[in-house]
This record gives sequence, C-alpha cells and structure tokens, in this order.
Amino acid sequence: SAVISQKPSRDICQRGTSLTIQCQVDSQVTMMFWYRQQPGQSLTLIATANQGSEATYESGFVIDKFPISRPNLTFSTLTVSNMSPEDSSIYLCSVGTISYEQYFGPGTRLTVT
Amino acid sequence: SQQGEEDPQALSIQEGENATMNCSYKTSINNLQWYRQNSGRGLVHLILIRSNEREKHSGRLRVTLDTSKKSSSLLITASRAADTASYFCATDETSGSRLTFGEGTQLTVNP
Repeated sequence: SAVISQKPSRDICQRGTSLTIQCQVDSQVTMMFWYRQQPGQSLTLIATANQGSEATYESGFVIDKFPISRPNLTFSTLTVSNMSPEDSSIYLCSVGTISYEQYFGPGTRLTVT
Repeated sequence: SQQGEEDPQALSIQEGENATMNCSYKTSINNLQWYRQNSGRGLVHLILIRSNEREKHSGRLRVTLDTSKKSSSLLITASRAADTASYFCATDETSGSRLTFGEGTQLTVNP
C-alpha cells in the first residue's frame, strides 16, 4: 500500500478565487489520479496526472479550470480555478500500485461561498 | 459517466447480521475493487478481485465476481456498528488505469 497525504484537508473559499491542493505520496508511483466527489454523489475522475507531461483530462474537465502539475513521482497538485459554488466538493488524489490496487488520500473538502 | 449501479442504495441492519451489497458494471473489466468511505472522508481500500477470479475473502469480507453477468457482490459478515459507511465498487478496463465508480451503497448498522 501507499501512504498519501493531502493539503489542505478543508477550505472555505470565495467565488472567483483559486485553490491549489497538494498530494504527497510516501513512495514513487507511476500512476496518480485526481477525482471529484460532489455532495451526496460518487467519485468522478478529473484527470490522470502524468509525470513530465501534461495531464490527461476526462470529458467535461479542462486544463484551464483544473490545471495539474506532476513534477516528480511522489507529488502532484490540482488547482481549482475561478471557483463557483458548483465546485464545492471533496477532491481526492489516488495512486496506482504494481498490484493494480488504487489507494486514495484523505481528501480535501472544498466549500465555495 | 458512472460505470454502473449498486444496490441497494441504502441498507439498514442490526449488529451481528450479514450485509450484502451488489454492484453491476457495463463494460469488460480487468479488476474490480471495493472501497469504504466514512462520512465523506477518504476512501479505504477493502479488496481487489481480478477478472479471472470468482471469489475472494479478507477477514469478514467476501467478494464475488460474475463476469458473465457483469456483477459483483460484497458480503460483510457479523456486522458491527463501526461498519456503518458508504461502500463503493470501482472497475478498471485496463489494469492500473483510471477507475470508474458505482453509485455506492449507504450501510447503517444499528447497535
């Protein structure tokens, strides 16, 4: 398994501002992902964070709104830009392992007012 | 879009009883994983079952997979109040790739 931390754990932000969420893993991993969980809903993949290249975004998510960095094999950031109340969600990063299990961080609970 | 459905959406049982949750999916898969989530926190990985496996056990958990029916079930035996949580299944079409999640089952275990 992998130990994953996220910062911040929660935040309350004003509309129009941006928030950067950090994800740190205790070991080098190839695959890192960012998911969103809207209130009362299941998880939806935002993008795959690729080390050394641009992230791969899912349908409905764009780089201008959710820029992602992956400078090395243990760290990634997700920025939620120009926030609106509809962005209020839990944002989770996850990592894949060589046994194909995927482990999740504790999540960042974002409230946009 | 979500891969499939889980049923029931909500399940309420007494402590000591068994809880069974079902998950259906739409496409071919390589692996199916089950997760637990307590009160909107992070997901806890419970178990992974590969497409060529039919059943897997881990402690009080038993997972089955029927690829012909594109469905899986999670059985929790001798449930405890601490098992109260949301349970999600997630599938990948290529091993180690993106996961597609089911809608989840909210389990309440009453003491």
